[in-house]
Amino acid sequence: EVQLVESGGGLIQPGESLRLSCAVSGFTVSNNYMTWVRQAPGKGLEWVSVIFSDGRTNNADSVKGRFIISRDNSKNTLYLQMNSLRAEDTAVYYCATYDSSGGAIDYWGQGTLVSVSS
Amino acid sequence: DIVMTQTPLSSPVTLGQPASISCRSSQSLVSSDGNTYLSWLQQRPGQPPRLLIYKISNRFSGVPDRFSGSGAGTDFTLKISRVEAEDVGVYYCMQATRSWAFGQGTKVEIK
Repeated sequence: EVQLVESGGGLIQPGESLRLSCAVSGFTVSNNYMTWVRQAPGKGLEWVSVIFSDGRTNNADSVKGRFIISRDNSKNTLYLQMNSLRAEDTAVYYCATYDSSGGAIDYWGQGTLVSVSS
Repeated sequence: DIVMTQTPLSSPVTLGQPASISCRSSQSLVSSDGNTYLSWLQQRPGQPPRLLIYKISNRFSGVPDRFSGSGAGTDFTLKISRVEAEDVGVYYCMQATRSWAFGQGTKVEIK
């Protein structure tokens, strides 16, 4: 069974940094695509970042230059380093697996809330 | 960038009756490999999203057969043949042909 457990969210001031973690079981992070999707309070889903099986990464324009996705293969864990945070980054951040053959995000974590406010 | 537009944004439905959600993309979702990477997700209140349908019409593991997907090119539809109480939530289409993008969501509620 695939399980994804996010951690690291919290209340943070604008301009500061935060690192989210996603511990994965039942699925090998290094062999697959992993992604972060966020959802602002009462809003829809927004794709944020992806790391491909070969280590390449890509980010949405809204976070480009500020967020960095990475993984630790030995810990089977995904990360999202978020720098220069803004109020509009306030959201629940979901870690998820992406099945490249099916072209769909198939397994999701429960999410972790990031609140950016002074 | 591809923009995904869903209609309606809200769909009040009677239990046991069908429901239909439309999703339109601003560009064709046919990939260079011939596949169309259009999926549908369900988000129940207070829950993370859950994959229902991938590549237009393939049901994901464990998804009831009352859910079906159809369409091609730029126009896609999710149908629920007989709505049950547990189907209440927000439904999203998502394209993965060029980067990733979600529709704005359609709220399904019981009349």
